[in-house]
Amino acid sequence: GQNIDQPTEMTATEGAIVQINCTYQTSGFNGLFWYQQHAGEAPTFLSYNVLDGLEEKGRFSSFLSRSKGYSYLLLKELQMKDSASYLCAVIGNAGKSTFGDGTTLTVKP
Amino acid sequence: EAQVTQNPRYLITVTGKKLTVTCSQNMNHEYMSWYRQDPGLGLRQIYYSMNVEVTDKGDVPEGYKVSRKEKRNFPLILESPSPNQTSLYFCASSSEPYNEQFFGPGTRLTVL
Repeated sequence: GQNIDQPTEMTATEGAIVQINCTYQTSGFNGLFWYQQHAGEAPTFLSYNVLDGLEEKGRFSSFLSRSKGYSYLLLKELQMKDSASYLCAVIGNAGKSTFGDGTTLTVKP
Repeated sequence: EAQVTQNPRYLITVTGKKLTVTCSQNMNHEYMSWYRQDPGLGLRQIYYSMNVEVTDKGDVPEGYKVSRKEKRNFPLILESPSPNQTSLYFCASSSEPYNEQFFGPGTRLTVL
């Protein structure tokens, strides 16, 4: 099976940098996704990693280490609108996907 | 506009009354999936479909049925709903399992 752990809550200040960690244990691995979900809304795609290393996309970056079962999402120049839940998800064998419980990020002025 | 649609968006029903939540996508995606989300928890996969006529159980399939007779549609069926199925349900699709998923707006179901 799959097990995904990420912190429940984080708080950061507007303009700062925050790193959200995700560790996983899987019986198969075909990629790791990060999604953003604002309260009452559907999740939206942020990033995808399948190989080790850093993927950068504007203010957002995501890192993956397959040997350590570890990923992080880095958010730079935080804005108030970044207050949301961030979901780590792993695609395992045969297309099965498993999500972590999400990290609720609160950005304060 | 490329999108995933779900209907109904909100539903209050009673225990044992069969219901269907529809899901449709207009992006010609192969992969579709159903999730439920409960307070404080992430998304838990109920069923997924790699292609037409191919469906597989996710982590929490008990009490649910699905069918994939057409590429664009993936309905979720609750034959005999129970209060523990009260939840927020999301349908999602992607061009293939290892690509980003596009989510529908969600269906908030309450079973009394």
